[in-house]
Amino acid sequence: QVQLVQSGSELKKPGTSVKIYCKASGYIFNSYAMNWVRQAPGQGLEWMGWIDTNTGSPTYAQGFTGRFVFSLDTSVSTAYLQISSLRAEDTAVYYCARERPHDYWGQGTLVTVSS
Amino acid sequence: DTQMTQSPSTLAASVGDTVTITCRAAQSISIWLAWYQQKPGKVPKLLIYRASILKSGVPSRFSGSGSGTEFTLTISGLQPDDFASYYCQDYNSDSYTFGQGTKLEIK
Repeated sequence: QVQLVQSGSELKKPGTSVKIYCKASGYIFNSYAMNWVRQAPGQGLEWMGWIDTNTGSPTYAQGFTGRFVFSLDTSVSTAYLQISSLRAEDTAVYYCARERPHDYWGQGTLVTVSS
Repeated sequence: DTQMTQSPSTLAASVGDTVTITCRAAQSISIWLAWYQQKPGKVPKLLIYRASILKSGVPSRFSGSGSGTEFTLTISGLQPDDFASYYCQDYNSDSYTFGQGTKLEIK
């Protein structure tokens, strides 16, 4: 069965970086794109962008350029989201989600940015 | 990016009611619209794609319609399990924008 398993919660200080992983199983990894979605506390869903799992080419939504980097390790069927120069407003749950529309989702990774 | 506007933001209803949530796109997105359900503290779940196709396993009391710029999600005969937040998403363009969400509450 299709599964997307994400890394655990992170507590980070402002100005530092975090790298979240999303490990896929149960399907051919490079047959489906991988998306990233953010949900701030009490807020709605924000699509951050996607990465082509064939070419590794990322596409970032407006507002998610510069400090956000999508990457892959296809040898272990894993997608990564790295966020640098963390700010308090980056505190959110980050989801990976397969394809469009998003038929399978990871369980979410809570990133808390606090001094 | 295509702006997606959902209404209402909050909806109070009773078990057994039929409710409709609307999603409007700022420009035509043909039928490339999805609906998701999210319960508090849980992962979003895809309900409907291509505006009206129910994902396998989703109860038939859920239905979607529309094309172009106006879409609706209808839940007929609300069940206790249906009280949740619902989001539409445009996946027509290069940017897959979500609507701001509709919270369906028990009256």
